Amino acid sequence: QITLKEYGPTLVKPTETLTLTCTFSGFSLSTSQMGVGWIRQPPGKALEWLALIYWNDDKRHSPSLRSRLTITKDTSKNQVVLTMTNMDPVDTATYYCAHFILRGENYFDSWGQGTLVTVSP
Amino acid sequence: QSVLTQPPSASGTPGQRVTISCSGSSSNIGINTVNWYLQFPGTAPKLLIYKNNQRPSGVPDRFSGSKSGTSASLAISGLQSEDEADYYCAAWDNSLNGNVFGTGTKVTVL
Repeated sequence: QITLKEYGPTLVKPTETLTLTCTFSGFSLSTSQMGVGWIRQPPGKALEWLALIYWNDDKRHSPSLRSRLTITKDTSKNQVVLTMTNMDPVDTATYYCAHFILRGENYFDSWGQGTLVTVSP
Repeated sequence: QSVLTQPPSASGTPGQRVTISCSGSSSNIGINTVNWYLQFPGTAPKLLIYKNNQRPSGVPDRFSGSKSGTSASLAISGLQSEDEADYYCAAWDNSLNGNVFGTGTKVTVL
């Protein structure tokens, strides 16, 4: 059974850097064709994909946020870390991490519960 | 910033069939498979359909997906009150080199 959980601050100030950690179990990020991604959802709005990291350390980022995002993994700790710089109130959202299946299929099959991050002075 | 377009809402009475559309382009739905996610208020999304029409274990066969050209559809047959939720389509976009989600559709059971 795959489980994921997001950890990080609930409140950050504008211009600060957000660091979120996804801790997972039930799979290894060294297994071929697997990845972990981050998705966010502002209150009352749609899902927005942010970034992905694959088993081979290849990475993908949302083009609109690429300059602000960094995604890394620690396979030995079963963790994936997302940093987002220069936070703004419009970045207030619930942030989810999710297990990603490649193999030409490309979908998130298991999701964390999400963590709400509020950006406010 | 959603690349895939869905109707904001859909509704039906119990037992009816409801269909949700998802419109994309040649760089996403046109050449990649479509996935659907279900989200109840205050909870994380859940995979509902993958690879256009495949149901994960535990998803009732009332839910079905299809794709044609640059559009996809999710159908809910025999609508039930517990199907009230938000539904999102998603696909890989080769131009953006990333995953894209739909605008989301809120399904209401009348």
